[in-house]
Amino acid sequence: NAGVTQTPKFQVLKTGQSMTLQCAQDMNHNSMYWYRQDPGMGLRLIYYSASEGTTDKGEVPNGYNVSRLNKREFSLRLESAAPSQTSVYFCASSEAWGQEEYFGAGTRLSVL
Amino acid sequence: GESVGLHLPTLSVQEGDNSIINCAYSNSASDYFIWYKQESGKGPQFIIDIRSNMDKRQGQRVTVLLNKTVKHLSLQIAATQPGDSAVYFCARRESGAGSYQLTFGKGTKLSVIP
Repeated sequence: NAGVTQTPKFQVLKTGQSMTLQCAQDMNHNSMYWYRQDPGMGLRLIYYSASEGTTDKGEVPNGYNVSRLNKREFSLRLESAAPSQTSVYFCASSEAWGQEEYFGAGTRLSVL
Repeated sequence: GESVGLHLPTLSVQEGDNSIINCAYSNSASDYFIWYKQESGKGPQFIIDIRSNMDKRQGQRVTVLLNKTVKHLSLQIAATQPGDSAVYFCARRESGAGSYQLTFGKGTKLSVIP
């Protein structure tokens, strides 16, 4: 039982490049989330998926897209990376929307 | 707007002493508050939560106090151990209108001195 697994752990992009951050959970949770964490800041919600087949914007969705591929997987895509998107990205899941969230180890992204 | 903030960015405590981490909030329409622990290189880990209709809740070596009058939340760690060294975040979960989003504070870094 690995919990929430994120790939890759580290990534460096050039401005304008695109990439997809992957997240998978093996806890049969219904809800999944993407957060970003900037230095000295708390986590901010980018997008969430309350249940399979639905996605909604969080606090800071601009510049990102998400896909709830199936119940296990929730990906985050940067279509044209910008230096302002340099951050640590965390995926989380919970049994249901509004319940305790379990976090992955994070993806550290640098955009040059 | 709404915010969840912390009084101190860093806290150093001698091993064995008690730690108190504080948090202030500005919105009263919250269903509950949560404390998370984040160790270096890892994601946040749930510690304890408290509903807004409670004043105190205890866990294993941790106690959370909620003072709604002054909109203040604290996390007390008893007999602090080196393994408690981490960044601690308070978070507020919204309630109402079908929204359950978490709003995180900026975090307090706890360092335990052996």
